[in-house]
Amino acid sequence: KAGVTQTPRYLIKTRGQQVTLSCSPISGHRSVSWYQQTPGQGLQFLFEYFSETQRNKGNFPGRFSGRQFSNSRSEMNVSTLELGDSALYLCASSLDRSLAGRETQYFGPGTRLLVL
Amino acid sequence: KQEVTQIPAALSVPEGENLVLNCSFTDSAIYNLQWFRQDPGKGLTSLLLIQSSQREQTSGRLNASLDKSSGRSTLYIAASQPGDSATYLCAVSDGSQGNLIFGKGTKLSVKP
Repeated sequence: KAGVTQTPRYLIKTRGQQVTLSCSPISGHRSVSWYQQTPGQGLQFLFEYFSETQRNKGNFPGRFSGRQFSNSRSEMNVSTLELGDSALYLCASSLDRSLAGRETQYFGPGTRLLVL
Repeated sequence: KQEVTQIPAALSVPEGENLVLNCSFTDSAIYNLQWFRQDPGKGLTSLLLIQSSQREQTSGRLNASLDKSSGRSTLYIAASQPGDSATYLCAVSDGSQGNLIFGKGTKLSVKP
């Protein structure tokens, strides 16, 4: 079974631009979560989607948004990029988050975003 | 607000040594605790998942324990190998929110 895939793997953007990152979960997984990892703040939760609905959101500004499609694939978008948005963005999938976190999350390799 | 702390931030040991990584959390109302491994520039690999009702989980040379009342977990690695070198992250699933709250990790280096 293929793991979680994320595209692109690397991205360079300039301040003020916007970016869209993509995540394909493990087949059959319906929940997709997004995390931001930086050296200073570590791993922080962005949002979680289940059956095309955002069920949970972390403490990030509205410039960060996401969506999930009917095939469970998910995208996240960051508008008006700032230097501080440079980070590794990780996507994770699990079977069904309605079990309130009782099962393992499987992480993708991440997208490394550099904002210049 | 749940906070997760991992001590030490970095650890260097000779090959073959047994070692313990520590994780503490401030709110005992957790659903589960997971230990992950992250290699440089890579995503996370789940090592062990301990449900809130469990006390420990084992996988090969790894053993993780959970003491909810004291807000602590330990990851024990037996007979360490250079291939164990990585950053180890502890994360708790916090109540109804379901998202994972991570510590900042322990960077482990196992020297041949």
